[in-house]
Amino acid sequence: DQQVKQNSPSLSVQEGRISILNCDYTNSMFDYFLWYKKYPAEGPTFLISISSIKDKNEDGRFTVFLNKSAKHLSLHIVPSQPGDSAVYFCAASAAGSARQLTFGSGTQLTVLP
Amino acid sequence: NAGVTQTPKFQVLKTGQSMTLQCAQDMNHEYMSWYRQDPGMGLRLIHYSVGAGITDQGEVPNGYNVSRSTTEDFPLRLLSAAPSQTSVYFCASSSTNRINTGELFFGEGSRLTVL
Repeated sequence: DQQVKQNSPSLSVQEGRISILNCDYTNSMFDYFLWYKKYPAEGPTFLISISSIKDKNEDGRFTVFLNKSAKHLSLHIVPSQPGDSAVYFCAASAAGSARQLTFGSGTQLTVLP
Repeated sequence: NAGVTQTPKFQVLKTGQSMTLQCAQDMNHEYMSWYRQDPGMGLRLIHYSVGAGITDQGEVPNGYNVSRSTTEDFPLRLLSAAPSQTSVYFCASSSTNRINTGELFFGEGSRLTVL
């Protein structure tokens, strides 16, 4: 039972255009949502997060949108650059003594020059 | 800044063998954890620790042992390797403040193959 789902295994976008990566979740207890980026042969690196009390968080070219009623979040990258080509993981956590992240299966983003 | 260091980066084992994946961090982080990444399944939490002497199980703990004798080190032990443990293993750490939002710092990973 996957509590965090990324239904698109891959996405290709032209350089300069917008990339939109999607993520759905089922657990209503999740109150923090994060995006991690992973290059080959490297560990994931934190990209951006959003609290459940917000519906949007922006950091430079990256914006995360949260729709709690639909249990859906998305990551927008504008404009997309070839260096953004990586696997993007959506993750969620619930309040507790130590937050355990639940990850989605990832989306491979390829930005074409 | 070394960050989170994992050794070895690659390892091949035979079924039934035991081994330890090492993880060390130099950021004085209280929280450390081990994840495994399998194709199509994202990362799954194996074990975690909120401080020296304290460990707890994650989503997939069977077949693995951990201990936390110091703040810096969090080794993962495979007691009797099985082919189902073929995976890429990531160690991650975080500070008490950052873990409240789930922000982790990951090592580069250790690729384990069990024949």
